[in-house]
Amino acid sequence: GDSVTQMEGPVTLSEEAFLTINCTYTATGYPSLFWYVQYPGEGLQLLLKATKADDKGSNKGFEATYRKETTSFHLEKGSVQVSDSAVYFCALYNFNKFYFGSGTKLNVKP
Amino acid sequence: GAGVSQSPSNKVTEKGKDVELRCDPISGHTALYWYRQSLGQGLEFLIYFQGNSAPDKSGLPSDRFSAERTGGSVSTLTIQRTQQEDSAVYLCASSLGTAETQYFGPGTRLLVL
Repeated sequence: GDSVTQMEGPVTLSEEAFLTINCTYTATGYPSLFWYVQYPGEGLQLLLKATKADDKGSNKGFEATYRKETTSFHLEKGSVQVSDSAVYFCALYNFNKFYFGSGTKLNVKP
Repeated sequence: GAGVSQSPSNKVTEKGKDVELRCDPISGHTALYWYRQSLGQGLEFLIYFQGNSAPDKSGLPSDRFSAERTGGSVSTLTIQRTQQEDSAVYLCASSLGTAETQYFGPGTRLLVL
């Protein structure tokens, strides 16, 4: 069945460091891909999405490109801030169902 | 505007008791989803509604779990004869349509003693 695998955390970085959180997926057909973020004490919220191959989703300095050839949707940011500390979830939507990864906790230190 | 709300925010119950969790979606959102998030785990899809109907109930963990939605709005998730392994955060999300961005509620934290 469809599934999402993302790198385990926690990931600890210094402010202004480069961030990559890996996400790979298994799916039939043509899924849409998402990154959701959960800040401390808050609910999940959409960070970015891509609906077809080679699309790039971007928001708040974060980017992810839908790579069908490698079945990946890695999240990147060139320079992280302390305020980016949160749990990040990769997700896939296919045939009316959403599948979420287990989440990656990011800690950014000043 | 108002987001997705869930009640109660926390629920502690004894093993074997029934619990009912409520979700109020964003007004006008036709799709509604229930998820379960166990400690250290990702989100486990339980069920979704398009309007008042649930086309796919295969994600419900057992026949102790049921959900309904009335008037295309409020939804309730009922867990009968709760077990300790039911302890988790239950999240509700709504969206304009099934392929649209989901907006999540704050969740109900359920603890079964």
